[in-house]
Amino acid sequence: AQKVTQAQTEISVVEKEDVTLDCVYETRDTTYYLFWYKQPPSGELVFLIRRNSFDEQNEISGRYSWNFQKSTSSFNFTITASQVVDSAVYFCALSEFGGTSYGKLTFGQGTILTVHP
Amino acid sequence: GAVVSQHPSWVICKSGTSVKIECRSLDFQATTMFWYRQFPKQSLMLMATSNEGSKATYEQGVEKDKFLINHASLTLSTLTVTSAHPEDSSFYICSVWTGVADEQYFGPGTRLTVT
Repeated sequence: AQKVTQAQTEISVVEKEDVTLDCVYETRDTTYYLFWYKQPPSGELVFLIRRNSFDEQNEISGRYSWNFQKSTSSFNFTITASQVVDSAVYFCALSEFGGTSYGKLTFGQGTILTVHP
Repeated sequence: GAVVSQHPSWVICKSGTSVKIECRSLDFQATTMFWYRQFPKQSLMLMATSNEGSKATYEQGVEKDKFLINHASLTLSTLTVTSAHPEDSSFYICSVWTGVADEQYFGPGTRLTVT
């Protein structure tokens, strides 16, 4: 069965600092998708980034970037020059491509990010 | 992407009563929707898969007789919490799945408090 682990429960930074959120996953599938979501205090999940298992190319999208390494089953997410509005709970999630799990998301425990002014 | 709404956004009910939560896909005909539950300060856990025109499939440990799911149309799925108890108090979130592995759109969630 798939599993997602976010070892960092809470992170606190000062505005403009860079912050990296860690995510480690387990899956037996060779084809899968990885996601990062943000959940502000309102509760609504905000999609941030996704990556499929065949594409290990790391990219930057604005202040967001990610580091996907299949060899270590990690999918880390970095926010550059953090802002107070980035304060939220961040979830890493996995979706397997095959079988009965297709489309279903398994979430990590979440990391609470607090950005202080 | 698909726009998803949920109604109500929050509800308070007394123990023993039933509560219905609606999940609507406003601009996409969804054959599959998912229902997740999130307890305070915890992660989201998949409860069930709602399939249009057929029975929902429930994850292990989720009581199907307690959490009734009806996916009567391509734009509406409902979750009814029957005989609610305080331990059912949670944040319930639905999502619309487009059928492609990486496309899932979430509703804003419904906060249920059972007193």
